[in-house]
Amino acid sequence: GAGVSQSPRYKVAKRGQDVALRCDPISGHVSLFWYQQALGQGPEFLTYFQNEAQLDKSGLPSDRFFAERPEGSVSTLKIQRTQQEDSAVYLCASSLARHPYEQYFGPGTRLTVT
Amino acid sequence: AQSVTQLGSHVSVSEGALVLLRCNYSSSVPPYLFWYVQYPNQGLQLLLKYTTGATLVKGINGFEAEFKKSETSFHLTKPSAHMSDAAEYFCAVIQNTGGFKTIFGAGTRLFVKA
Repeated sequence: GAGVSQSPRYKVAKRGQDVALRCDPISGHVSLFWYQQALGQGPEFLTYFQNEAQLDKSGLPSDRFFAERPEGSVSTLKIQRTQQEDSAVYLCASSLARHPYEQYFGPGTRLTVT
Repeated sequence: AQSVTQLGSHVSVSEGALVLLRCNYSSSVPPYLFWYVQYPNQGLQLLLKYTTGATLVKGINGFEAEFKKSETSFHLTKPSAHMSDAAEYFCAVIQNTGGFKTIFGAGTRLFVKA
């Protein structure tokens, strides 16, 4: 079956631009996670949704970062006024309610801010 | 606060040799523990997990890991390395307090020599 998909796979933005990154989770997965992975580092937790409810956003680095999942399926991570330090791979993962710890990851979106 | 330490950013083994990737965690309560593998330009794939029960857990591709509470460790092993095992490996924890915030280590890149 289809896995987690993310789009775009690559995004180049000029500093100060806004970007929107999309995640399509596996059908039926109620939990959805966003991570930021800087070059040579492990993923860092950004935020977590259960259905449409954002239950944990403690990892969002600043108020320029905003995530939503209005219908409990597709999610969008928005970054306003991008800065060079936002350059990273943004990973999305989803999981079933009965196996919340088994996260399935998408291929990521590589964001480069110039 | 939780943290995950992976000893060795790079590990090199010969094909057929034992693979040992080290992971230590710090947590105020016994956490849930995970190992993920990441191939170039791909998302992370769950290798194995420990939540409760038997402390020796077996995963995919012949990997296993043992949870040692007294040593706060969760090292990953494989008896005989294959060329296809060359990848980045990440250890991760979730604190067993009802949340889903996953903390990843910095990763260990495994090289397999012919």
